[in-house]
Amino acid sequence: EAQVTQNPRYLITVTGKKLTVTCSQNMNHEYMSWYRQDPGLGLRQIYYSMNVEVTDKGDVPEGYKVSRKEKRNFPLILESPSPNQTSLYFCASSLYGVIGTVPYEQYFGPGTRLTVT
Amino acid sequence: DAKTTQPTSMDCAEGRAANLPCNHSTISGNEYVYWYRQIHSQGPQYIIHGLKNNETNEMASLIITEDRKSSTLILPHATLRDTAVYYCIRGEDGGATNKLIFGTGTLLAVQP
Repeated sequence: EAQVTQNPRYLITVTGKKLTVTCSQNMNHEYMSWYRQDPGLGLRQIYYSMNVEVTDKGDVPEGYKVSRKEKRNFPLILESPSPNQTSLYFCASSLYGVIGTVPYEQYFGPGTRLTVT
Repeated sequence: DAKTTQPTSMDCAEGRAANLPCNHSTISGNEYVYWYRQIHSQGPQYIIHGLKNNETNEMASLIITEDRKSSTLILPHATLRDTAVYYCIRGEDGGATNKLIFGTGTLLAVQP
């Protein structure tokens, strides 16, 4: 089944303790992205990757890192989590970013609910 | 700034067509209109997208006005499982980053 998986689905952690949220897709997609969703603010893009070894900042990258060493995986790293990073996180992928001006539909993972105390 | 305007909420009777409007009056010529939906904190789900012409797929139809300033998503026979927040999204920056800028969406409540 074509899907985007995220782990863990739920995580409670303490301030400053490094954590990684994994994201994997089995569709051979080139494009992957991370969003966070907060009440009243909607979904906002954190980082995105057009292809392996190509990553760039989205709208809210502060406090996050990403890497794209393989096409299927796009982990989100919080080196020193803080309470303001408590949020619902979604990973997404699409076949390509864009070809010319044609965007591609994005497939989202089930989400990771992170609480930082 | 999402740059699309949608009603906050709508109701629809089960089995009837749900028509969800979206205003995007400042859309530029090469920006697509996308629709996604999110069922209670699940990952958003792609529905449909279009540029100028009306589009239809197995989930829905998208009607875009000739001036492209507004569009309507049509779910032809709404079911209880269609209860969700529906997002109308402009493809701004789509030419560069494929970033989706989500607004607040429309909460569609399908009533039995």
